[in-house]
Amino acid sequence: TQLLEQSPQFLSIQEGENLTVYCNSSSVFSSLQWYRQEPGEGPVLLVTVVTGGEVKKLKRLTFQFGDARKDSSLHITAAQPGDTGLYLCKGGSQGNLIFGKGTKLSVKP
Amino acid sequence: GAGVSQSPSNKVTEKGKDVELRCDPISGHTALYWYRQRLGQGLEFLIYFQGNSAPDKSGLPSDRFSAERTGESVSTLTIQRTQQEDSAVYLCASSARVAGAFSTYEQYFGPGTRLTVT
Repeated sequence: TQLLEQSPQFLSIQEGENLTVYCNSSSVFSSLQWYRQEPGEGPVLLVTVVTGGEVKKLKRLTFQFGDARKDSSLHITAAQPGDTGLYLCKGGSQGNLIFGKGTKLSVKP
Repeated sequence: GAGVSQSPSNKVTEKGKDVELRCDPISGHTALYWYRQRLGQGLEFLIYFQGNSAPDKSGLPSDRFSAERTGESVSTLTIQRTQQEDSAVYLCASSARVAGAFSTYEQYFGPGTRLTVT
């Protein structure tokens, strides 16, 4: 059974701090995505990574795909209240899509 | 429309009643997914449609749950004899089929239907 473990489950920080959240699996994925979900809305795709070791940047967000394509991290620099939400990772492989349970981030002003 | 739409946005029903939830995917997207999200939880896969292939129903929690899709457009998720544990947000997502063996599985989600069973 493929599983994606996300950590930490909850994270509460002050505006301006940096943070990293993790997405780990024992399975290899052909692609991995990160989504952000705000209260009352559906998840919104942030990024897709497909190559082992790949690093993608989206403004203050940096995403990395592990060399073995089993894990990923999301680093946020100088967090802002607008970054608050549930961050979900999703792995895809041969038609199977696996979501992690998410990291709930709260950024206080 | 530009995105995935779902209706109704909110549904309150009495225990034992049937409900129908609707999803309109992005035009041209051949794949459609239904998920359930309980309060404060992650996404629970329910069912997946891909073109004219038989749907993957492996995530449906009981035979009270069923879903249909008309061609590559609208889908309806039906819950019969609703129970209080069915209370959740039901999310629909669609994705484009990418030609070839490799797909990035990028999904686009609707805003969800919040179902409350009293």
